[in-house]
Amino acid sequence: GENVEQHPSTLSVQEGDSAVIKCTYSDSASNYFPWYKQELGKRPQLIIDIRSNVGEKKDQRIAVTLNKTAKHFSLHITETQPEDSAVYFCAASLGIQGAQKLVFGQGTRLTINP
Amino acid sequence: DSGVTQTPKHLITATGQRVTLRCSPRSGDLSVYWYQQSLDQGLQFLIQYYNGEERAKGNILERFSAQQFPDLHSELNLSSLELGDSALYFCASSPRLGRGVPDTQYFGPGTRLTVL
Repeated sequence: GENVEQHPSTLSVQEGDSAVIKCTYSDSASNYFPWYKQELGKRPQLIIDIRSNVGEKKDQRIAVTLNKTAKHFSLHITETQPEDSAVYFCAASLGIQGAQKLVFGQGTRLTINP
Repeated sequence: DSGVTQTPKHLITATGQRVTLRCSPRSGDLSVYWYQQSLDQGLQFLIQYYNGEERAKGNILERFSAQQFPDLHSELNLSSLELGDSALYFCASSPRLGRGVPDTQYFGPGTRLTVL
């Protein structure tokens, strides 16, 4: 089955700097890669996603890149702000005839230092 | 607010008991997914229903079961509860049958289950 590895487990950056979180997946057939942000005790909130027919997607300060050959994808946050502090999860999914399960990485606790 | 609702928010019960968690998907969404989040296991997929039918299964224990009703709300039943079942249980929903194109999943606020 699919396995997703996420690194680093914790990341601390200065406000205004960039943060990068990396994930690798095992199933080459996976075709959907979302990123979720989760604040303490709250629901995972989708921040960006990418499908396997594109290599990069950007939404304001957030970007995701996908390398299908190497089976890895990354989240880039630029100009970080204190409100970016949270746990970030990557996930990989394969949709077959409507059956879809997200396999999540173990999470990265991002801390933005003012 | 994602539009997915879950009740109750918190549930405290004893070992050996049975509980039911309820989820209402976003208006128009046909798929419902259940996830378990514990400190040591992270976010784990349990099961997916589409329009009342089971579509995908993860590492769901035999003591756990789920169903989706004609009005599309879903219930997750947990029985013979153990201490290790204490976790956050999330429901998510997505709009349509992907036919090979996975859909975006929107998560509800979760139910925190504590087994004493």
